[in-house]
Amino acid sequence: DAEITQSPRHKIIETGRQVTLACHQTWNHNNMFWYRQDLGHGLRLIHYSYGVHDTNKGEVSDGYSVSRSNTEDLPLTLESAASSQTSVYFCASSDRSNQPQHFGDGTRLSIL
Amino acid sequence: GQNIDQPTEMTATEGAIVQINCTYQTSGFNGLFWYQQHAGEAPTFLSYNVLDGLEEKGRFSSFLSRSKGYSYLLLKELQMKDSASYLCAVRDSNYQLIWGAGTKLIIKP
Repeated sequence: DAEITQSPRHKIIETGRQVTLACHQTWNHNNMFWYRQDLGHGLRLIHYSYGVHDTNKGEVSDGYSVSRSNTEDLPLTLESAASSQTSVYFCASSDRSNQPQHFGDGTRLSIL
Repeated sequence: GQNIDQPTEMTATEGAIVQINCTYQTSGFNGLFWYQQHAGEAPTFLSYNVLDGLEEKGRFSSFLSRSKGYSYLLLKELQMKDSASYLCAVRDSNYQLIWGAGTKLIIKP
């Protein structure tokens, strides 16, 4: 069965460190998204991609970067982690813009 | 600005019916989604409305009124496993999803 997987599921790092969160989907979807989810807030879009070599900034992109070298993967990098980036991060994919997004199980990231 | 409003928390009894409301103000409208999210898990797709009216899918139904900027999710014959957060999301004119903060539904026996 097609799926979307995120790794790691949990991570603790120190402020100022760089960390990359992986997202891999086998749906062969063109569209991929990264969100963060914090208490009291809806899912907030960090970056998104509509295809290979396409990346776009979302609502809360500062301090994050992504790259799309193939259809299956959209890794999210925090260049210099800050405590305000402690959150649960979800990756999602969809076939077309009018189709529902399928979510990975999330990565719980703690920055101390 | 863009805004999605949902109640923070609701409580209902097993076997009963509950209606979760969502109001929105967005730059454009290209459809409304409802997702279910159990604690510690990923959101999963429940329903999609783009035209006014009611969409029924088993025990779950979703209603949309575009003129009022309003939707609701209706859950019938509530089961304990329905205890979860329910997320409303609107696709705006740029085809981006704007998410509400979610409604935590607590089911009591």
